[in-house]
Amino acid sequence: QSVLTQPPSVSAAPGQKVTISCSGSSSNIGNNYVSWYQQLPGTAPKLLIYDNNKRPSGIPDRFSGSKSGTSATLGITGLQTGDEADYYCGTWESSLRVFGGGTKLTVL
Amino acid sequence: EVQLVQSGAEVKKPGESLKISCQVSGYSFTTHWIGWVRQMPGKGLEWMGFIYPGDSDTKYSPSFQGQVTISADKSISTAYLQWSSLKASDTAMYYCARGSPHFDSWGQGTLVIVSS
Repeated sequence: QSVLTQPPSVSAAPGQKVTISCSGSSSNIGNNYVSWYQQLPGTAPKLLIYDNNKRPSGIPDRFSGSKSGTSATLGITGLQTGDEADYYCGTWESSLRVFGGGTKLTVL
Repeated sequence: EVQLVQSGAEVKKPGESLKISCQVSGYSFTTHWIGWVRQMPGKGLEWMGFIYPGDSDTKYSPSFQGQVTISADKSISTAYLQWSSLKASDTAMYYCARGSPHFDSWGQGTLVIVSS
């Protein structure tokens, strides 16, 4: 059971927008920055979003992040088949790192 | 360019010991935390712990405290994850990753299979 709760799966058609939620508590998301990771099939995770809403160099602006209270959201617009992957949120709790359970994105 | 290169896949028997490595390049090894993340087959990411190579300060997830040992060798810019007695349930992919509070660079992963 993960400390952060994500929906197991989401799906949308190419070109559409999708959001992935990450729910926590005041001891983790509520008082710390959130990051998001993309894991394409058979590959290592990659940082998509950090500090709630910042994108590393090279990450397209189709990917966005937001945080409100004890929840965070990853948004992906203009969906592409190459976006099919597992997505994980992450943050801190008591100086330790925690991840969400992951969400599988299917682009129909 | 920041790179984290992990050691190759391992096949071990229950009860055996193992040490896997993560060699970094492209930045100062001693000034960034290095974490280890487990991914069991078909499952999500689990943070195991991390080390600050500059002073060897180490923190573990309660789930992994006492089960593994994280260490680092500054002279060769390499972090390690070690087991003294493997179990079948340790079968997983293990990733090293740089950074805190977020992991901005990842190794390619080391597959560990524990089977009799």
